[in-house]
Amino acid sequence: DTEVTQTPKHLVMGMTNKKSLKCEQHMGHRAMYWYKQKAKKPPELMFVYSYEKLSINESVPSRFSPECPNSSLLNLHLHALQPEDSALYLCASSLKGYETQYFGPGTRLLVL
Amino acid sequence: SQQGEEDPQALSIQEGENATMNCSYKTSINNLQWYRQNSGRGLVHLILIRSNEREKHSGRLRVTLDTSKKSSSLLITASRAADTASYFCATDGGATNKLIFGTGTLLAVQP
Repeated sequence: DTEVTQTPKHLVMGMTNKKSLKCEQHMGHRAMYWYKQKAKKPPELMFVYSYEKLSINESVPSRFSPECPNSSLLNLHLHALQPEDSALYLCASSLKGYETQYFGPGTRLLVL
Repeated sequence: SQQGEEDPQALSIQEGENATMNCSYKTSINNLQWYRQNSGRGLVHLILIRSNEREKHSGRLRVTLDTSKKSSSLLITASRAADTASYFCATDGGATNKLIFGTGTLLAVQP
């Protein structure tokens, strides 16, 4: 199974809402990632988890809060987002940090 | 910014033609990877070339790496309409747990 799943596929939220994005993999990968991608731009790394511990936070605003409950799951909790946070949010996993990353299909987020 | 640069930004070719995309990066690397992204979807890994390799093939894909020039190229031979996508190179920047993506090339293959 080389699949990374993400839910939901689409999300519309107001600036006062709280929502969560979910990512799951069952490949035994111990590195998991959140990326943000705006239209016509490359993915931008947000967070890296290694062995369920946060190892990289790329200076992401605190309105984004990651969580890794276990080695297969990665969540991204969203609160008080801004319209400019509207983007495609991609989750990925890998055996090692600089090896092949497997991406989920993404969650397309619209903040109104 | 550590981000790599790709050129061309956009490329339009006819089915059956070859497509070449170039990637330049700024730091030392352990490896360089190429990914494809169909419109608005997740990225798919295409090929990984290690810093001690100069050329690698996978099906219709050929990747070269010149670490002295900090550059790589991706050649897609005998292109098909299904190859229409954005292509990104990605490097680790010599680090151990992150990838840095290039700016991407948007390839359109006309049937």
